[in-house]
Amino acid sequence: KQEVTQIPAALSVPEGENLVLNCSFTDSAIYNLQWFRQDPGKGLTSLLLIQSSQREQTSGRLNASLDKSSGRSTLYIAASQPGDSATYLCAVVRWGQNFVFGPGTRLSVLP
Amino acid sequence: EPEVTQTPSHQVTQMGQEVILRCVPISNHLYFYWYRQILGQKVEFLVSFYNNEISEKSEIFDDQFSVERPDGSNFTLKIRSTKLEDSAMYFCASSPGSEAFFGQGTRLTVV
Repeated sequence: KQEVTQIPAALSVPEGENLVLNCSFTDSAIYNLQWFRQDPGKGLTSLLLIQSSQREQTSGRLNASLDKSSGRSTLYIAASQPGDSATYLCAVVRWGQNFVFGPGTRLSVLP
Repeated sequence: EPEVTQTPSHQVTQMGQEVILRCVPISNHLYFYWYRQILGQKVEFLVSFYNNEISEKSEIFDDQFSVERPDGSNFTLKIRSTKLEDSAMYFCASSPGSEAFFGQGTRLTVV
């Protein structure tokens, strides 16, 4: 059974810092890994999708990497801003199966 | 930009009542999902739907739950005889086969 963990559980940083969020999964036979952002009481906004054949994806100040063999992904946020404050979730999926989510990292960027 | 739409955004129901949560997936997507998130907990998979039938369901998705695609566009989750522990945010998602797109959720409160 696939298990997804995320470290740290919570993170508080001053504005402008670069930061790294970590995601680990136990079954490396994944098809995709997707990073989401969730604001309090809101839905899930897709940030980046990394397909199993890819090693990284970039969107603006966000960069996500994937190492399937070690069961790890990292989300790098450059020059953090208070508007980045949210919970960040990673989810993995095998072909034809459901997405399995991690518990999330709650990020707070202080002005 | 196409999006997944869920209604209602918030529903309060008495214990023992039936509720129907509605979702309009992105057109031309093939895979549909329901997830739930109890306050402060992980996003949990309930059921996936493909080719007009359930493709996978979790142990949570027991006889109390059912899904339908009544008219080829809407996708509904019915919860019969609601219990207090059914209180959660329910998310619908659709996918063309790779990236998942989530709705803003329905917050269900059972009193």
